[in-house]
Amino acid sequence: NAGVMQNPRHLVRRRGQEARLRCSPMKGHSHVYWYRQLPEEGLKFMVYLQKENIIDESGMPKERFSAEFPKEGPSILRIQQVVRGDSAAYFCASSPKHSETQYFGPGTRLLVL
Amino acid sequence: AQTVTQSQPEMSVQEAETVTLSCTYDTSENNYYLFWYKQPPSRQMILVIRQEAYKQQNATENRFSVNFQKAAKSFSLKISDSQLGDTAMYFCAFMKRAGGTSYGKLTFGQGTILTVHP
Repeated sequence: NAGVMQNPRHLVRRRGQEARLRCSPMKGHSHVYWYRQLPEEGLKFMVYLQKENIIDESGMPKERFSAEFPKEGPSILRIQQVVRGDSAAYFCASSPKHSETQYFGPGTRLLVL
Repeated sequence: AQTVTQSQPEMSVQEAETVTLSCTYDTSENNYYLFWYKQPPSRQMILVIRQEAYKQQNATENRFSVNFQKAAKSFSLKISDSQLGDTAMYFCAFMKRAGGTSYGKLTFGQGTILTVHP
């Protein structure tokens, strides 16, 4: 059973461009979580999604950030008009229904020039 | 809101010895989970151990064990027989038990960098 997959692993964008980060959960997992890790800090929750539903987006910045988890395909975290402060590692985690354990992907390192 | 505090930014230990990492948390919830994750230089987040708050017995996974003190809101991680591969950043995390099939978000501490010396 493949683990949580994220792509790309590294992403470089210039200020003002869009960044799209993809997350494929483990097989059989219907819950996806996105976290952001700034340099030298712990992970901070951003959003929790189930298929076609946003369950908790309390950690998402109000502007420029959006997330989706469609019925088919990976979950997408989209950052519009990126700024240098968006440079961070973005981790996706997944869990099966009825489970508290989250399994993490390898992360996407976003660098905004 | 929940907070998780790791008061030790860095720790070091000699190979084969034992080390304890501290974690305290603040919550008004009664039903929750606690976790320790490790993040080695590869940056991959790896689950080390988890504890359910309603269980009094401390969780154990091979060389890793916890000391869960619910009244004191303390959740320390003990690593026995430390190995070079244990060198990593260790994060303590809290999860409130939500209703239905939802288990909610993880709230992480700031992390403790552990270095195991040969």
